[in-house]
Amino acid sequence: GAVVSQHPSWVICKSGTSVKIECRSLDFQATTMFWYRQFPKQSLMLMATSNEGSKATYEQGVEKDKFLINHASLTLSTLTVTSAHPEDSSFYICSARPLAEQYFGPGTRLTVT
Amino acid sequence: EDQVTQSPEALRLQEGESSSLNCSYTVSGLRGLFWYRQDPGKGPEFLFTLYSAGEEKEKERLKATLTKKESFLHITAPKPEDSATYLCAVQALGLNTDKLIFGTGTRLQVFP
Repeated sequence: GAVVSQHPSWVICKSGTSVKIECRSLDFQATTMFWYRQFPKQSLMLMATSNEGSKATYEQGVEKDKFLINHASLTLSTLTVTSAHPEDSSFYICSARPLAEQYFGPGTRLTVT
Repeated sequence: EDQVTQSPEALRLQEGESSSLNCSYTVSGLRGLFWYRQDPGKGPEFLFTLYSAGEEKEKERLKATLTKKESFLHITAPKPEDSATYLCAVQALGLNTDKLIFGTGTRLQVFP
């Protein structure tokens, strides 16, 4: 199956700082990648769809200026959480699809202190 | 509104005790239904895609089926390594056909 990686796997940052999370498709090219957020014992919620070479499409209720997405190449999308606060602490997961199915990265655990 | 409901929320099985997980969905038009397995602290792992009522897919001890209103994930003679959260997701026809709408999952524990 297709392989998607994320970096870092976990990060702790102080309130007010920014954190960048990378998502890479390792064995296929992805014009579209997806960013999800998952709270403990809850399901995945789509935050935004990342499109290579164009602006991301954000879901209703997701702050564009807080969660900056850049899809600079066919294998890399980044999510930057700006001015992070404790309520942004969560598990962030990206996905990409070579064909119909979305393949997910291993996730990034963000803790804001 | 498109919606996915999974039941039961949690399931405890003895090793070898077969059972089924349910995924009920409400969408304006179904483009595809997906099953994923998620281990704690990890991203979901793709299992199956189903597109039309009557379709079935199998992989080792797992079998997924689809009707017009729901999908079942049948687990035959489960082993402890099958313990995980199983997620169901749907894609609906319409403007954003890539969007996956997830259920809250079924946490499966298989005891030896």
